[in-house]
Amino acid sequence: DAKTTQPTSMDCAEGRAANLPCNHSTISGNEYVYWYRQIHSQGPQYIIHGLKNNETNEMASLIITEDRKSSTLILPHATLRDTAVYYCIVRVGGTYKYIFGTGTRLKVLA
Amino acid sequence: NAGVTQTPKFQVLKTGQSMTLQCAQDMNHEYMSWYRQDPGMGLRLIHYSVGAGITDQGEVPNGYNVSRSTTEDFPLRLLSAAPSQTSVYFCASSYLDRDGDTQYFGPGTRLTVL
Repeated sequence: DAKTTQPTSMDCAEGRAANLPCNHSTISGNEYVYWYRQIHSQGPQYIIHGLKNNETNEMASLIITEDRKSSTLILPHATLRDTAVYYCIVRVGGTYKYIFGTGTRLKVLA
Repeated sequence: NAGVTQTPKFQVLKTGQSMTLQCAQDMNHEYMSWYRQDPGMGLRLIHYSVGAGITDQGEVPNGYNVSRSTTEDFPLRLLSAAPSQTSVYFCASSYLDRDGDTQYFGPGTRLTVL
């Protein structure tokens, strides 16, 4: 099954860019990479997704390597409210099974 | 729209009891799913459905049953609760979109099995 690998935790200074990496070396050619975050014990919240090209929305940017084996989520100006667990997720090829890893716990420091 | 709603918010069961966790969405999403999250862990997929009458197993389906008789509802049944099923349960829904399906999550049900 496709799976992702993320660092366990990261710190980022408030106002600076937070760059969260993810490895997904077994991703299928037509499968998207998704990013969600979970604040405290709330339900996860969608951030962004992409296939091949880099993507940007009002929350973040997603950079996907050309070989698609890894990606980076960028929060351009992190705030204290961005402190959360960030999950990089892929879908198992040919199914609708989404595999969450253990995520990266991002702490934004004042 | 209410989005994805889950009931109850909290539940305590004794070992061997059965119960149903309710999940409903009002966005006409084809896809619905159930996850469990154990303390300090990520989410693990239990069961999912791509439409009324269609369900399939996720990573950790044992001990749980689901059915999808309507687009809106996707209940999760615990047939005989065990302490290992103590967890937070999240329901999610999304469109089945060729450009990527964004899942919307409910607030969760916190279940304790004694």
